[in-house]
Amino acid sequence: EAQVTQNPRYLITVTGKKLTVTCSQNMNHEYMSWYRQDPGLGLRQIYYSMNVEVTDKGDVPEGYKVSRKEKRNFPLILESPSPNQTSLYFCASSLYWGSDTQYFGPGTRLTVL
Amino acid sequence: KQEVTQIPAALSVPEGENLVLNCSFTDSAIYNLQWFRQDPGKGLTSLLLIQSSQREQTSGRLNASLDKSSGRSTLYIAASQPGDSATYLCAVIAAGTASKLTFGTGTRLQVTL
Repeated sequence: EAQVTQNPRYLITVTGKKLTVTCSQNMNHEYMSWYRQDPGLGLRQIYYSMNVEVTDKGDVPEGYKVSRKEKRNFPLILESPSPNQTSLYFCASSLYWGSDTQYFGPGTRLTVL
Repeated sequence: KQEVTQIPAALSVPEGENLVLNCSFTDSAIYNLQWFRQDPGKGLTSLLLIQSSQREQTSGRLNASLDKSSGRSTLYIAASQPGDSATYLCAVIAAGTASKLTFGTGTRLQVTL
């Protein structure tokens, strides 16, 4: 089944403890991105990647890192999480950037205490 | 800066009714517009994608139209069912933004028996 998977789905952590949220797609998509969803602010892009080893900042990249070493994986790294990073995170992918349908993962609900 | 607005924010209709959800965007220079459905605590499911050169797309009981020059899109749902209850999000990819989706804040739809 074609899908975007994220792990973990739920995570409660403490301020400053490094964490990684994984994202994987099995559709051979070149484009992948991360969004966060917050009440009243909607979905905002954090980082995106047009292909392996090509990443760039979205609208809200502060406090996050990403890497794209393989085409299928695009992990989101929080080196020192803070409470303002408590949010619902979504990974998305599309075959190419620009004009294709984007497919979203199931989301990761992160709480930073 | 591209801004996307969805009206109404919430809508309740009886089962069987036809309904229209509205989406407007401020910058007509877009690659495409995509409609998503989000169920509570779940990810986003892509419903329809309209390329900038297209006027409408249909899938089953759903029909989406796009008037790029006026910055408007509508999602028409025919013969609504309780299973259609969800939040509907529209999002545009503005030209020159490397596939960044700019989302509206959504319309929460409830279809009652």
